[in-house]
Parts: sequence; structure tokens; C-alpha cells
Amino acid sequence: DIQMTQSPSSLSASVGDRVTITCRASQSISRYLNWFQQKPGTAPKLLIYAASSFQSGVPSRFTGSGSGTDFTLTISSLQPEDFATYYCQQTYNTPRTFGQGTKLEIK
Amino acid sequence: EVQLVESGGGLVQPGGSLRLSCAASGFIFSSYEMNWVRQAPGKGLEWVSYISSSGTAIYYADSVQGRFTISRDNAKSSLFLQMNSLRAEDTATYYCAREGAGYNPFDYWGQGTLVTVSS
Repeated sequence: DIQMTQSPSSLSASVGDRVTITCRASQSISRYLNWFQQKPGTAPKLLIYAASSFQSGVPSRFTGSGSGTDFTLTISSLQPEDFATYYCQQTYNTPRTFGQGTKLEIK
Repeated sequence: EVQLVESGGGLVQPGGSLRLSCAASGFIFSSYEMNWVRQAPGKGLEWVSYISSSGTAIYYADSVQGRFTISRDNAKSSLFLQMNSLRAEDTATYYCAREGAGYNPFDYWGQGTLVTVSS
């Protein structure tokens, strides 16, 4: 199975900050990497797919990059609605594993 | 508008069974692969099972292999998860998710249904 490792597990930041979350796959997954945002009590929301493609309606302050084993999600200027938990996921093969999540909190 | 609506969750005793349903609308259900994903209270996301658009290819997480069965009825635009021999560690919110084309993103999710396994 492909293991997905996110860092950091939690992050405190302020509105307006630039933040970066990283995700590492245990083997190459090409660009089969997705990023999700989840707020308490709600379903995950797809932000980025194919490592760097925007899902419709996602603000441009969210950008994804990477290929192979190393990927990043960057939020260029944090907004109050961005405080949530973020997950990466590989869909290169099954099981379609998720990272353990990164909780982004207000400083 | 794409919609996925799960149902069938509830409280069940250890060793019991439950059948979850996911009603799809707003897209051609028979053209899409589908998945179940779960989330234990306060924990992260765990992929559970996948089914191809025709139902001919099926995969499971090791944690549910042999106990859970995924199926679909394309005529009724519905996805199912039959869960048997339930354990306390199966307690979670279960989501159905549509798998998009290309790089297989999980592009639409239902609101989830809570399964609680407890005596």
C-alpha cells in the first residue's frame, strides 16, 4: 500500500499569512494527488486534483504543486474561512490512501 | 446539480449488520466509479471501498475485507454498502464519494451517515 505522510500535523497561523502543507508518498504516484478541505461536521471538499488543477469554485489563493513523491498545498493569504483540516489523498492505485490530516488553527 | 445522499446509518450491536445506501442525482450515475470513505469520531479519513462504473471491479480496505460488500444499482442510481460482523472500530461517519475522470479525484461527496457499533 502507498503511505501518505503530511506535515505538519497542526499549524497555527494568522489571517493574511502564507502557509504551506506538504505531503509525501511512499512511492511515486505521478500526479495522482488530491487535496481536500474539511470543516467540522461537514464532508470533505475537493480543492486541488491532479496535484495542481483547481476544482471549480476554489479560490485562487489555493495552489498545489509537485509530482512523483513530494507535493505541497500553499494558501497565499489566509482568510478566516480557511481555518480547517486539510488532507491529501493518492488515487494512483487502491487502496486510495489519505494523509493523516493537517489542522490549521488561528493563532 | 450533483447530489449524493447517504442513508441507513444507526446504532447496531457488535456482530450485527447494517446496509448503507447512497442515492445519486444530477449526473449519469452509470458512467462513474464510486467509493465509500469513513471517518471515526475525531479521526482522519479512511478509504473503505471502490466499485467501477459497471460494478465489475471492486476493491476493499484490508480492515473491512470479508465483512463489507459494496454494490450498485445503475438503473436506480444507487450505491450500497452491506456491513456485516460489525465491530466497535467500525464506528464512523460513512461518506459515499464520486470518482471523477482523469486523475480519479473524489469530486463530490455526500453529507455522511453515522454508524455506531456499541452494546
